[in-house]
Amino acid sequence: KNEVEQSPQNLTAQEGEFITINCSYSVGISALHWLQQHPGGGIVSLFMLSSGKKKHGRLIATINIQEKHSSLHITASHPRDSAVYICAAGGETSGSRLTFGEGTQLTVNP
Amino acid sequence: EPEVTQTPSHQVTQMGQEVILRCVPISNHLYFYWYRQILGQKVEFLVSFYNNEISEKSEIFDDQFSVERPDGSNFTLKIRSTKLEDSAMYFCASSPDRGYQPQHFGDGTRLSIL
Repeated sequence: KNEVEQSPQNLTAQEGEFITINCSYSVGISALHWLQQHPGGGIVSLFMLSSGKKKHGRLIATINIQEKHSSLHITASHPRDSAVYICAAGGETSGSRLTFGEGTQLTVNP
Repeated sequence: EPEVTQTPSHQVTQMGQEVILRCVPISNHLYFYWYRQILGQKVEFLVSFYNNEISEKSEIFDDQFSVERPDGSNFTLKIRSTKLEDSAMYFCASSPDRGYQPQHFGDGTRLSIL
C-alpha cells in the first residue's frame, strides 16, 4: 500500500514569492501527479511525471525516483494561485488508482 | 477542451435511500474512475472501470456500491441504502487507454445524507 505524504499542510506567502511544496511516497509508482483543487471543490490536473522535470508557465514539477520525492514550485506567486495543491501517486500498472496526499493549502496575499 | 461532466452538482438524500451519481467521461477515454472526498479529508479511490468491468476497487467499495456504463456515454455510481457517513464529494475521472496518462476530473457531486 502506498503512502503519500505532503508538506507543508498550510502555506502562506506574499505575492511574488517563490513557493515549494514537497511530496514523498513509499512504494514504486508509474507516475506522480500534481493536482490543484479550487475552493468550490473541482480538481484540475497540473502535471504527471515519471522522471526529471516539467514546466508549465510559472509552475515547475520535479521528481527524484530514487528518493521517492517530488516537488512543486511556483515562481512569482500571485493571489490567484491560492488553492489546495495535491500530489497523488499512480500505481505501477497502466490505469491503476491514484493514492492522494493530504494536500497543501496555499494562500498568496497581495 | 473536452471535459468530464458530473450530475447533479449537489444531491440531498434521506438515510437508507438509494442514490445514483452520473458522469459523462471524455468521449475517447476508456478508463473510468470514482473517487470520494469526505469533508476535511483527502481524496480516496473507490473503483476503476475498463472494458465494461471493474478493474480495481478499494476496501471502501463494498456491496453497497456498484458502477455501470449503461450506454456509450454515461458512467454511474449507485449507492444503496445510504448511510450518514456516505456524505462526501464524489469525483468521476477518466483517462485515455494509452498508459500512464493524466486523469481528467469532473467538478464533483456533493452528496449530503440526512
